[in-house]
Amino acid sequence: NAGVMQNPRHLVRRRGQEARLRCSPMKGHSHVYWYRQLPEEGLKFMVYLQKENIIDESGMPKERFSAEFPKEGPSILRIQQVVRGDSAAYFCASSPRADGVGEQYFGPGTRLTVT
Amino acid sequence: DQQVKQNSPSLSVQEGRISILNCDYTNSMFDYFLWYKKYPAEGPTFLISISSIKDKNEDGRFTVFLNKSAKHLSLHIVPSQPGDSAVYFCAASARQGAQKLVFGQGTRLTINP
Repeated sequence: NAGVMQNPRHLVRRRGQEARLRCSPMKGHSHVYWYRQLPEEGLKFMVYLQKENIIDESGMPKERFSAEFPKEGPSILRIQQVVRGDSAAYFCASSPRADGVGEQYFGPGTRLTVT
Repeated sequence: DQQVKQNSPSLSVQEGRISILNCDYTNSMFDYFLWYKKYPAEGPTFLISISSIKDKNEDGRFTVFLNKSAKHLSLHIVPSQPGDSAVYFCAASARQGAQKLVFGQGTRLTINP
């Protein structure tokens, strides 16, 4: 059973460009979470999605950031007009549980560098 | 506002001895706690968890203790092995509302031979 897949693993963008990060959850998991880790800090929650629905986006910046989890295909985290402060590791996690309790399984992350 | 705190950025322990990593939280709504281990350039790996209805959970060399009155949990690793060298994150979640995990800042554990 493959784990959570994320691609690309490394992404370099110039200021003002768009970044698209993809996440395929573990087989059988329908709950996806995105987290961001800045250097020397812990992971910070961004958004929680189920298929075709955004459940909680309280951690998402109000502008430039969006996320989706379509019926078919991976979850996408999209950052428009990137700035240097967006440079971070972005982790996706998935969970099979619908009752609000349980482990989340993380992918290897996408390291975004904005030049 | 840091709701989950790991006050020790680093810890060094001799191989074979016990490693104790600590975590404090402030939100009384948290009712599920987890420990993750992270190697450089990899995603966090789930280690062990505990529900607020328990005060101890054990899995092999790893034991997590929860003191709800003190809002404190700890992870014990015994005996410590060189492969345990990594950054350890404490995380918490609340059954009510969103299922997001709130992470501490992490503790870098180094096991010395």
